[in-house]
Amino acid sequence: QVQLVQSGAEVKKPGASVKVSCKASGYTFTDYYMHWVRQAPGQGLEWMGRINPNSGATTYAQKFQGRVTMTRDTSISTAYMELSRLRSDDTAVYYCAREVRGVGLDHWGQGTLVTVSS
Amino acid sequence: DIVMTQSPDSLAVSLGERATINCKSSQSVLYSSSKKNYLAWYQQNPGQPPKLLIYWASTRESGVPDRFSGSGSGTDFTLTISSLQAEDVAVYYCQQYYSTPRTFGQGTKVEIK
Repeated sequence: QVQLVQSGAEVKKPGASVKVSCKASGYTFTDYYMHWVRQAPGQGLEWMGRINPNSGATTYAQKFQGRVTMTRDTSISTAYMELSRLRSDDTAVYYCAREVRGVGLDHWGQGTLVTVSS
Repeated sequence: DIVMTQSPDSLAVSLGERATINCKSSQSVLYSSSKKNYLAWYQQNPGQPPKLLIYWASTRESGVPDRFSGSGSGTDFTLTISSLQAEDVAVYYCQQYYSTPRTFGQGTKVEIK
């Protein structure tokens, strides 16, 4: 069965960087785009960007351009999202989610809480 | 960017009654070549990731109860829960996947009256 397993919670200081991993199993990793979505406490869902695991091509939300980097390691079916120059308002749960082309985000990781605090 | 606007922000419905959530996009999400609306609905329970309920505006994901239905086309969409059950208490989001950036509605919280 399809599974996306994310890395554990992180606590970071303002100005630092965080890298979240998302290990995929149960399907061919390179066949589906991987998206990253975040959710601040008590807030809605915010799309950050996506990566084509086959080519490595990325598309980022303008809000995060210059601060976010999405990569992948096809040898271990893992996608990564790195966010730099962290601020307190980056405190959120970060999700990876697989997109079925033309259908939507059909499988999600369990989420990774990133807390930014001095 | 396509802006997604849901209404209402919250609603309280009695068990067994109908719940209706609306979603409006700032531009059409109807993909002309396939004649499909690239609009999805998700359900999110507290502490859980979102779950895909409906795609193409009206197609239920496998395993989703048939009390959930979606309708609409172009820019106006509706999610209906025909007979609210206790386990349906959640926040519901619409999302367009017609273009990037992908965008979500602000969410609608459904509670029991």
